[in-house]
Amino acid sequence: SQTIHQWPATLVQPVGSPLSLECTVEGTSNPNLYWYRQAAGRGLQLLFYSVGIGQISSEVPQNLSASRPQDRQFILSSKKLLLSDSGFYLCAWSVQAQPQHFGDGTRLSIL
Amino acid sequence: DQQVKQNSPSLSVQEGRISILNCDYTNSMFDYFLWYKKYPAEGPTFLISISSIKDKNEDGRFTVFLNKSAKHLSLHIVPSQPGDSAVYFCAASWSGGGSNYKLTFGKGTLLTVNP
Repeated sequence: SQTIHQWPATLVQPVGSPLSLECTVEGTSNPNLYWYRQAAGRGLQLLFYSVGIGQISSEVPQNLSASRPQDRQFILSSKKLLLSDSGFYLCAWSVQAQPQHFGDGTRLSIL
Repeated sequence: DQQVKQNSPSLSVQEGRISILNCDYTNSMFDYFLWYKKYPAEGPTFLISISSIKDKNEDGRFTVFLNKSAKHLSLHIVPSQPGDSAVYFCAASWSGGGSNYKLTFGKGTLLTVNP
């Protein structure tokens, strides 16, 4: 069966520091991969998606970037975090476009 | 502009009764709808979906109804169990224009099932 791993579960970072969140999927090949963010009091917002190695689509302009160095690895990064980057970050995968299956998320707090 | 709306932030029902969670959407291009369930400190779990060519889809205790003319869908849980207590998200996508990967989510409804 397929599983998705996200880490770390929680992270506290100072403003201006870099960020790297990692997501890996097991049990499937060539999945579609996604990064979402849930800000406080809001629904989930799609940030990036990838249909293959090195292929990244960005949904909203922001302080973040994504990379897919391997088939089942998806990384969310920032060179300098802002206070507004705080939130709950979720990685997801799918075989076709839908349904998408989510990891357990990373709670990111910026101080 | 919120294209998927869940107007009830919370809902409380008794164990054994029916839970009805509602969702409205504004984008008539949406043609695929999903419900997710989320426990605290976990990611959302896919529950059930429906294509716009159908008006009902059933899976065990969960049934989703779609009313395209009203741009409204609902999730029925019968009978409700205490373990169903969670936040439920409605989500929508459309298959045209290369946008089928994008899910638009509502803000969620917190369901509490009381023993």
